[in-house]
Amino acid sequence: RKEVEQDPGPFNVPEGATVAFNCTYSNSASQSFFWYRQDCRKEPKLLMSVYSSGNEDGRFTAQLNRASQYISLLIRDSKLSDSATYLCVVIFYGGSQGNLIFGKGTKLSVKP
Amino acid sequence: DAGVTQSPTHLIKTRGQQVTLRCSPKSGHDTVSWYQQALGQGPQFIFQYYEEEERQRGNFPDRFSGHQFPNYSSELNVNALLLGDSALYLCASSSVPDWGVTEAFFGQGTRLTVV
Repeated sequence: RKEVEQDPGPFNVPEGATVAFNCTYSNSASQSFFWYRQDCRKEPKLLMSVYSSGNEDGRFTAQLNRASQYISLLIRDSKLSDSATYLCVVIFYGGSQGNLIFGKGTKLSVKP
Repeated sequence: DAGVTQSPTHLIKTRGQQVTLRCSPKSGHDTVSWYQQALGQGPQFIFQYYEEEERQRGNFPDRFSGHQFPNYSSELNVNALLLGDSALYLCASSSVPDWGVTEAFFGQGTRLTVV
């Protein structure tokens, strides 16, 4: 089983739609969670961290369920510029350091 | 403030050759991590350098080696290249306190093609 698994894509949605991405992780010792965005042929960039209480940043809402080892990202009122691959990332700390463990990514395409 | 810079941006090598990729971290960052991203996959952790030492290593063979210099810049070396080494190689820099990892900033990557 992969350490971080994401919904298979691609997601093709019209502008203005609400879309949700899901992610599960296998290591219960995982302690930090993020969503990264990667545009075609570009580097990943941090979209938002995911906190236990859930957090929102404009049209984006992230949720974490530690009991189910599940993370989600909700995008409301989708824009054409939201088209990208969204990467679920977890960090678990072995010893005192951690490194980023990426999911495969889910591709989103927002159409006019 | 320059972000993470990588060189070269593109590279074509022949099977069996050796390659060196370079990374300069973001100003103020002392930790460099390297990732391999194959087409259609998420980035896979190769190794991390801090204080000029390899701190952690992912599941990559010894053909993959690295180095960090006193100015925190880093190199990734791959020996005996295989076709399967073709990928985007990403460098990420961060400031890593002992208790965890703060936000990692990625360079634009080096796209390596092995023919």
